[in-house]
Amino acid sequence: GQQLNQSPQSMFIQEGEDVSMNCTSSSIFNTWLWYKQDPGEGPVLLIALYKAGELTSNGRLTAQFGITRKDSFLNISASIPSDVGIYFCAAWGIQGAQKLVFGQGTRLTINP
Amino acid sequence: DADVTQTPRNRITKTGKRIMLECSQTKGHDRMYWYRQDPGLGLQLIYYSFDVKDINKGEISDGYSVSRQAQAKFSLSLESAIPNQTALYFCATSDGWAGELFFGEGSRLTVL
Repeated sequence: GQQLNQSPQSMFIQEGEDVSMNCTSSSIFNTWLWYKQDPGEGPVLLIALYKAGELTSNGRLTAQFGITRKDSFLNISASIPSDVGIYFCAAWGIQGAQKLVFGQGTRLTINP
Repeated sequence: DADVTQTPRNRITKTGKRIMLECSQTKGHDRMYWYRQDPGLGLQLIYYSFDVKDINKGEISDGYSVSRQAQAKFSLSLESAIPNQTALYFCATSDGWAGELFFGEGSRLTVL
């Protein structure tokens, strides 16, 4: 089935550092989504990408839909304590497009 | 009030007991989903429903059943709970496909 490989699984950084995480797959996807999950909460959408090659920003967050349609990355610039959480990539595929596939998540920890 | 509400938020039960997790939404979306989250595994789809008369199995439906009582209500049942069903469960809704999923705050289930 369709799978997303998200890396890294965890990151430990200093406040103010930039962060980069990515998702790859052997399958082609039509839409990429990036979610953040705070402790005790459900995931919340950060950025949605609908077109191959698309680069989209949301404040300090930037995400890109890979040109091959098989990957996506998320960058966070100048990290702050409230960036702590778990980040998930997710994608809608061509086959079985009715189901959203999730990556395993990247747990971000920030040392002040 | 949350747009997607899950009850209970926390539940501890014993092996063999029947458990129902309930989800209600005020977003007016037709599509509803149940996901399971385990550490390091991301979110796995249990069941999904596109309308009241439509129920579909996801990746990990064994041991679970669902009921779509109304457009706004989608419940997940464990007929005979077992310890490896200990997890965080999320309900989600969407308006059409290839778009954003809106998640509830989660129901943490512990099966002893």
